[in-house]
Amino acid sequence: DAGVTQSPTHLIKTRGQQVTLRCSPKSGHDTVSWYQQALGQGPQFIFQYYEEEERQRGNFPDRFSGHQFPNYSSELNVNALLLGDSALYLCASSLVAGGLDEQFFGPGTRLTVL
Amino acid sequence: LAKTTQPISMDSYEGQEVNITCSHNNIATNDYITWYQQFPSQGPRFIIQGYKTKVTNEVASLFIPADRKSSTLSLPRVSLSDTAVYYCLVGDPYNFNKFYFGSGTKLNVKP
Repeated sequence: DAGVTQSPTHLIKTRGQQVTLRCSPKSGHDTVSWYQQALGQGPQFIFQYYEEEERQRGNFPDRFSGHQFPNYSSELNVNALLLGDSALYLCASSLVAGGLDEQFFGPGTRLTVL
Repeated sequence: LAKTTQPISMDSYEGQEVNITCSHNNIATNDYITWYQQFPSQGPRFIIQGYKTKVTNEVASLFIPADRKSSTLSLPRVSLSDTAVYYCLVGDPYNFNKFYFGSGTKLNVKP
C-alpha cells in the first residue's frame, strides 16, 4: 500500500513564473491538506480539500490555489512566484470521517525560486 | 484557533525518559491534542493523540491534566534516532481544521 506520494521531488523556477505541484493521498483517504515549510520553521497550513472543495484555508494569498480530483488526488498551484515562496511543500492526507486527526505526510516537493 | 507554546529545544541522553510540555490555554471543548515528529527533509509523522487524562501507545505516552490547558509528551528511554523536532497541535478531529504546527521543540539526544 503506497503512502502519500508527491511530484516532483525538486523544482527550480524563476520569479513571476507559475508552478503546479501534485499529490496522491494514501489509499482510502479522502482529504488532502497542503503545507509550506520554510527552512527552520514549522509547516504552515495552506488549505485543505475534501469532496473536491476547499474546506479550510490558512493565511496565504490568492496566488496559492488548489484542486482536488474525483480520485482524491490534489494539485497545488502557485502563480507569480516570489523569492519567498522557496520552501518545502508538504501534502498530507487523512480520513475526514475517521475521527482521528492523524495526517499522513508525503516526502514533500522542494521548490526553489531564483 | 487554539495556538500552542512549546520549548524551542531540549537536550537528553540515550536511555533517559524525555518529557516535552505544550501549553494551549485557549483549547476548545471539542479540541483534541496531537503530537507529530519530524526528521530533517521529511514530512511530519503522527505520534499520538488524546483528549484527556492519559493515552499510551507503543512509542509514547500523552498526559493531559483535568483543565486541558497543557499536555506532556513522554518518550521512554530515548535513543539517538529520536533526535527530531516534535510538534504539538490542537484541533477538532471531527471537523475540518486549520492545522497550526508552531515552531516545535527540537530534541537533541546525545550518546
